[in-house]
Amino acid sequence: EVQLVESGGGLVQPGGSLRLSCAASEFSFSTYWMSWVRQAPGKGLEWVANIKEDGSEKYYVDSVKGRFTISRDNAKNSLFLQMNSLRAEDTAVYYCARGGWSFGFWGRGTLVTVSS
Amino acid sequence: EIVMTQSPATLSVSPGERATLSCRASQSVSSNLAWYQQKPGQAPRILIYGASTRATGIPARFSGSGSGTEFTLTISSLQSEDFAVYYCQQYNNWPRAFGQGTKVEIK
Repeated sequence: EVQLVESGGGLVQPGGSLRLSCAASEFSFSTYWMSWVRQAPGKGLEWVANIKEDGSEKYYVDSVKGRFTISRDNAKNSLFLQMNSLRAEDTAVYYCARGGWSFGFWGRGTLVTVSS
Repeated sequence: EIVMTQSPATLSVSPGERATLSCRASQSVSSNLAWYQQKPGQAPRILIYGASTRATGIPARFSGSGSGTEFTLTISSLQSEDFAVYYCQQYNNWPRAFGQGTKVEIK
């Protein structure tokens, strides 16, 4: 069964940084685009970023460009999201999802709270 | 940037009844549209991709239709487990975009 397990969330002050990880298993990770999608408390879904199979293409929503960086390590079946200059509006559950077009499998998410 | 608009925001339906959810794109997304279901405290689950293709394991009571800018998700006979929030998502262009969701609640 496909598994995606996020980690790295927590409480951080405005302006701080966090690095999220997503451990993938039970599928051929290196052959899939991967994405991050977030959901602010009580709100809808927002696509954040995605990355091509080999890491050669990356796309971001405008609100995180220049602050967030998506990356992957295919040897370790892992996806990452480096988040810098965090703002209160970045507070959300961050989901790792398989795919770059539609998102066929999702992790359970990790909560990021940006607050002083 | 493509904006996805879902209607209604909330749909009250009795078990066994039919539910029809709408999704409109601000410009054509061809058939590059997916539908997701999300229950409280859970991650979203894909229902439909390519506007009308059911994902693996999705019951036949879920069906999708439309192309271009107008899309519909129909649940033919609502079961108790179908009460949830439903999102549409376009993947024709970047940035990928979700609608704001339709909550299907028990009438």
